[in-house]
Amino acid sequence: GDSVTQMEGPVTLSEEAFLTINCTYTATGYPSLFWYVQYPGEGLQLLLKATKADDKGSNKGFEATYRKETTSFHLEKGSVQVSDSAVYFCALIFQGGSEKLVFGKGTKLTVNP
Amino acid sequence: EAQVTQNPRYLITVTGKKLTVTCSQNMNHEYMSWYRQDPGLGLRQIYYSMNVEVTDKGDVPEGYKVSRKEKRNFPLILESPSPNQTSLYFCASSARGYGYTFGSGTRLTVV
Repeated sequence: GDSVTQMEGPVTLSEEAFLTINCTYTATGYPSLFWYVQYPGEGLQLLLKATKADDKGSNKGFEATYRKETTSFHLEKGSVQVSDSAVYFCALIFQGGSEKLVFGKGTKLTVNP
Repeated sequence: EAQVTQNPRYLITVTGKKLTVTCSQNMNHEYMSWYRQDPGLGLRQIYYSMNVEVTDKGDVPEGYKVSRKEKRNFPLILESPSPNQTSLYFCASSARGYGYTFGSGTRLTVV
C-alpha cells in the first residue's frame, strides 16, 4: 500500500544552519505530496504541497520539490530559526482515491540559539 | 476565519462511559477525517467521510463510531471507552486536492 518514509529524528541545529529532512514515498500512480508542521501543543498546519512531478512547494522559507524519478519530497530551508522548532510530517494523498492522507512518522526539529 | 473546531480540548473520563468529541468545519469541505496521534506510532486514521452520509473505516476503527448527517459536522463517538483509547485526537477536513485543515486536537485520557 501507499506509504511515506521520513528520516528519523530528532534533529538538532544551530540558528541559521541549513535544514534538510528527507522524505521518500511508495505509491501507485501519482500522489499529491505535503509537508505538515506541528508546533508544541498545537495541531498540524499545512506547510507546503506539490501535486505533480517537478512541482516545487514553498512557504515561510521552506521548500520541497516533487521528484518522481527518486520518489522523494525532501524538505529544505536555508537558514533555520529558533521559531522553526517543531515536528515535521511528510504526507501523501493518492489522487483519484478516497482522499486519505498517509503520514510519515514525523521528524522533531530543535533549533538552538 | 476558515477553521476546524474540535471540542473539548481536554477530556478525562472513566472506562465505559460513552463520550462524543465534536468536530465542525466552516469551509464547506466534502472530506472529513479523524486521526489519533500516539508516541512512536505517529498519526493513524480512524474514520473518514467523503460526503454527507458517506463514511468508511480507516486504519484503526475499532471502538469508535462516526456519523456525517450534515456537511459541516463529523462527531467521533466512543461508546465504551477503554484506557487504550487514551490519545491525542485530530479532526481534519479537505476539499479534493487541497490538503487537509486540522483542528487543534482533543487530548483524551481514559482511566
